[in-house]
Amino acid sequence: GENVEQHPSTLSVQEGDSAVIKCTYSDSASNYFPWYKQELGKGPQLIIDIRSNVGEKKDQRIAVTLNKTAKHFSLHITETQPEDSAVYFCAATLLSSNTGKLIFGQGTTLQVKP
Amino acid sequence: DTEVTQTPKHLVMGMTNKKSLKCEQHMGHRAMYWYKQKAKKPPELMFVYSYEKLSINESVPSRFSPECPNSSLLNLHLHALQPEDSALYLCASSSDRDRQPQHFGDGTRLSIL
Repeated sequence: GENVEQHPSTLSVQEGDSAVIKCTYSDSASNYFPWYKQELGKGPQLIIDIRSNVGEKKDQRIAVTLNKTAKHFSLHITETQPEDSAVYFCAATLLSSNTGKLIFGQGTTLQVKP
Repeated sequence: DTEVTQTPKHLVMGMTNKKSLKCEQHMGHRAMYWYKQKAKKPPELMFVYSYEKLSINESVPSRFSPECPNSSLLNLHLHALQPEDSALYLCASSSDRDRQPQHFGDGTRLSIL
């Protein structure tokens, strides 16, 4: 079955710097890759997603890149702010399976220091 | 604010109690999910409902009993839980086509004494 590895497990950056979180998946059939942000005491919030027919997607300070050949995808946050501090989860799934099963990475705790 | 509302936010119960968790969404989604999340871990899928019918049960113990009374509501009935069942229980919803993206509520923090 699918397995997703996420690195690093913790990341500390200075406000204004960029942050990059990387995930590698094992099942080459996977074709949908969401990223969730989970703040303390809250549920996971979808921040960006990408499908396998696209190599990159941007939304303001957030971007996701996908390398299907290498089976990895990355989250890029530019000009980080203290409110970006949270746990970030990547996930992968095969849309046509229609199961709704998301295989999550283990999470990255991002700390942005003011 | 999330568009998936879960109540209660916190719940403390004894191992012999019966309680229910509730989830509500008004996004017109026809797929709804229960997840369990332990501290510092990703969410783990428990159940999937599609058009009010149970679609997936991830081998969850029978002390957890889901119910979907209508397209907007999802319940999780709890009975005879164990201390290891203490966790954050998350509800999510999505369109049934593709079943992605999933939108999560803020969860119920459950503690079993």
